[in-house]
Amino acid sequence: TQLLEQSPQFLSIQEGENLTVYCNSSSVFSSLQWYRQEPGEGPVLLVTVVTGGEVKKLKRLTFQFGDARKDSSLHITAAQPGDTGLYLCAGGGQNSGGSNYKLTFGKGTLLTVNP
Amino acid sequence: DADVTQTPRNRITKTGKRIMLECSQTKGHDRMYWYRQDPGLGLRLIYYSFDVKDINKGEISDGYSVSRQAQAKFSLSLESAIPNQTALYFCATSALPGQAGRVTDTQYFGPGTRLTVL
Repeated sequence: TQLLEQSPQFLSIQEGENLTVYCNSSSVFSSLQWYRQEPGEGPVLLVTVVTGGEVKKLKRLTFQFGDARKDSSLHITAAQPGDTGLYLCAGGGQNSGGSNYKLTFGKGTLLTVNP
Repeated sequence: DADVTQTPRNRITKTGKRIMLECSQTKGHDRMYWYRQDPGLGLRLIYYSFDVKDINKGEISDGYSVSRQAQAKFSLSLESAIPNQTALYFCATSALPGQAGRVTDTQYFGPGTRLTVL
């Protein structure tokens, strides 16, 4: 069973601060995704990374996939109240034939950005 | 209109009752999933279906059953609800991955059903 550990579990910061959340595993994933979930809604995809060492930027959000494809980080610069939500990482795995692909989700980091 | 819809959005029921949660999608995706979300436990996969004739158990399928009535519809049933099935339930869909070996699988989630079993 592939497991993803996210840290911290909870994070409360002031508007304008920077933060990093982590997603770690002992397993190798073919891809790593980050989702954000707001109260009363389902998760929404932010980014997918597929290459070890890959870095993707989405405005103030920077995502990195570890060289060994076992871990990932999400860095937010100058956080805003609108960034508040549950951030979930999800690792993509498959069997050798590639036909049984599905995601394994971490437990999430609940971020609160206070005005 | 939303691409993935779930009904009902909220449901309160009693122990032992049979409950059905329904999911419909207009995205034309072949793959559909049912997850439950509990505080501190994240999203856990209950069942998934890669096409109408292919249904698979996820990591926590005991006490649940599913039916894929059509490409666009995937329902989850609790045959005899118990209190520890109180949770937020999400349906999700995805398209077939484009290429083996470098597959990615964006999942599109419905708004969720909050189920309380008393």
